[in-house]
This record gives sequence, C-alpha cells and structure tokens, in this order.
Amino acid sequence: AQSVAQPEDQVNVAEGNPLTVKCTYSVSGNPYLFWYVQYPNRGLQFLLKYITGDNLVKGSYGFEAEFNKSQTSFHLKKPSALVSDSALYFCAVRDGPNDYKLSFGAGTTVTVRA
Amino acid sequence: SAVISQKPSRDICQRGTSLTIQCQVDSQVTMMFWYRQQPGQSLTLIATANQGSEATYESGFVIDKFPISRPNLTFSTLTVSNMSPEDSSIYLCSVDATGQSQETQYFGPGTRLLVL
Repeated sequence: AQSVAQPEDQVNVAEGNPLTVKCTYSVSGNPYLFWYVQYPNRGLQFLLKYITGDNLVKGSYGFEAEFNKSQTSFHLKKPSALVSDSALYFCAVRDGPNDYKLSFGAGTTVTVRA
Repeated sequence: SAVISQKPSRDICQRGTSLTIQCQVDSQVTMMFWYRQQPGQSLTLIATANQGSEATYESGFVIDKFPISRPNLTFSTLTVSNMSPEDSSIYLCSVDATGQSQETQYFGPGTRLLVL
C-alpha cells in the first residue's frame, strides 16, 4: 500500500524568505509524485509532478520540488515566498504506471506574512 | 489541462434527503474519480467511474450510499443518499485526461455540502 506523510501541519514564513513544505512517501514500486495547492473555497490546483528523469522538477507559480529516492522525500520549495502563496498544500503519490489511485498527505497550511 | 465544472457549488440539506452532484468535463476522458474531503481533512477517494461499466468503490464506501453514474465520456454524477451530518464535506471530481498512467489528475472546484 502507498502512503504519504506531511510532517508539518503548518508552515509560517515571512514574505521574501524561502519556503519549504516537506513530504515523504512510501510505495512498493516506482513513485509518481504530485503537489497540489488548495486556496480557500477553491478546488485543488496542480502544481508539479515527478515521474522520471531529473530529480529537480519545476512547476507553476515559481515552485519546484526535489525527488530524493534514498530519503523517500519530495519536498516542495520556493526561493522567495509571496503573501499570495498562503494556502493548503497537498502531496500525493501513486504507485507507478499501473496504479491510477492517488494517495494524499494530510496537507500543510502555509502562511506567508507580509 | 481539462476544464472541469461541478454543480451545485454548495448546498445545505436536511438529514435523510439525497443530493446529486454533477461533474462536467470539456473534453472526453477515460477515467473520472470522486473524492471526499471532510472538514480539516485530506482527500479520500470514494470511487472510480469509467464509462460503460459500474463504478469501482474504495473500502468504506458503498454503492447504496454513493451511487454513481457515468453516461458518457464527459459527464458523471455522484449521489449522496440518506444524508446525515457526518456527510458534510467537500466532494470533488477529478479526471485522468487521457487514461495514460502518467497523466495528471485535474480536479473540479468541489461541491461544499452541509447536512443539518
């Protein structure tokens, strides 16, 4: 069975500072990893994904994530956070190409203060 | 990416009644999914809806409580039956646009349900 852990319920940063949202995963096969963001009263928006290839993937709104196989991690990063980045962030995993089911982490609430 | 709409966007219902949620996609998709997000919680997959076959339900979800229809490749409905306050959640549909395993799931805006 696959699972995702987001160890931090909340992350607070000042605008302009680096932002990191942590995610670790567990799958039996090759992980397909995703980050989504949910703004208040909105649905989930796709940010980025890792399937294969370069361990550093870039996505929407200046976000990037680094896949680390040895640490089974896929942390989301942004070099300079904006107040508008304040939202709920979800990491998700699926177990390779033959499993379409997404398993989501519990979510991390990011607050960026001006 | 696919553009997905849901109706209604929100509703307040009385216990014991049923609500049908519609999900419409702007392109033909093979796989559609229904998720539940309970207050302050993460997303949980309810079922997978494929056109021309019965929905596949996840553990803890049954067809009598959450009947699903998938009449064509752009549309699906989820009914929440005999509702109780515990059914108060956000219900989201998502699509796997091409059916290819590497494709991303895109989500609709969600339906916010409050059961009194």
